[in-house]
Amino acid sequence: GAGVSQTPSNKVTEKGKYVELRCDPISGHTALYWYRQSLGQGPEFLIYFQGTGAADDSGLPNDRFFAVRPEGSVSTLKIQRTERGDSAVYLCASSPSGRIDEQYFGPGTRLTVT
Amino acid sequence: DQQVKQNSPSLSVQEGRISILNCDYTNSMFDYFLWYKKYPAEGPTFLISISSIKDKNEDGRFTVFLNKSAKHLSLHIVPSQPGDSAVYFCAASARSGGSNYKLTFGKGTLLTVNP
Repeated sequence: GAGVSQTPSNKVTEKGKYVELRCDPISGHTALYWYRQSLGQGPEFLIYFQGTGAADDSGLPNDRFFAVRPEGSVSTLKIQRTERGDSAVYLCASSPSGRIDEQYFGPGTRLTVT
Repeated sequence: DQQVKQNSPSLSVQEGRISILNCDYTNSMFDYFLWYKKYPAEGPTFLISISSIKDKNEDGRFTVFLNKSAKHLSLHIVPSQPGDSAVYFCAASARSGGSNYKLTFGKGTLLTVNP
């Protein structure tokens, strides 16, 4: 079946602009996660959704970052007033039950802020 | 502060030989450990895991060893194949601490298996 998909695959934006990154999880997966992978680093946890609600958003770096999952399926990560330091690959993962060994990752969105 | 450390950025081995990837952690609350494999332009894929109540878990060519007292784990791949060439991430979770969904990753090790 279809895996986790993320759009766009690449996004180049100017400093100060607003961006939205989309994640389509595997159908039926109730849990959804966002991670950020900066150059030379491992993925870093941002936020975890169980259904429609954010169960843990402790990894969001500041209030410029926000994520929603209004219908418990597709999620959008929103970044306001982008900064060059936001440049990274943003990974989305989903799992059927929140089990960590069942997190299936998407290919990521590479965000470049110029 | 890196709670999960992979001190070797890269490793090169010959096909058929053993690959050993190492990982150290500092957070004593971590009780579940995973290895992920990542190809370029793809997301990480789960490879193998181990709970802190075990010291070894094996799945085909892949074996993970855990030394709790040393806060060290390793992934052994035997025999190594060219298709194993990828970045390998070590990850940890504090399942019993209530954050059983949150993974903390190391920086990764690029494994190259030469034919």
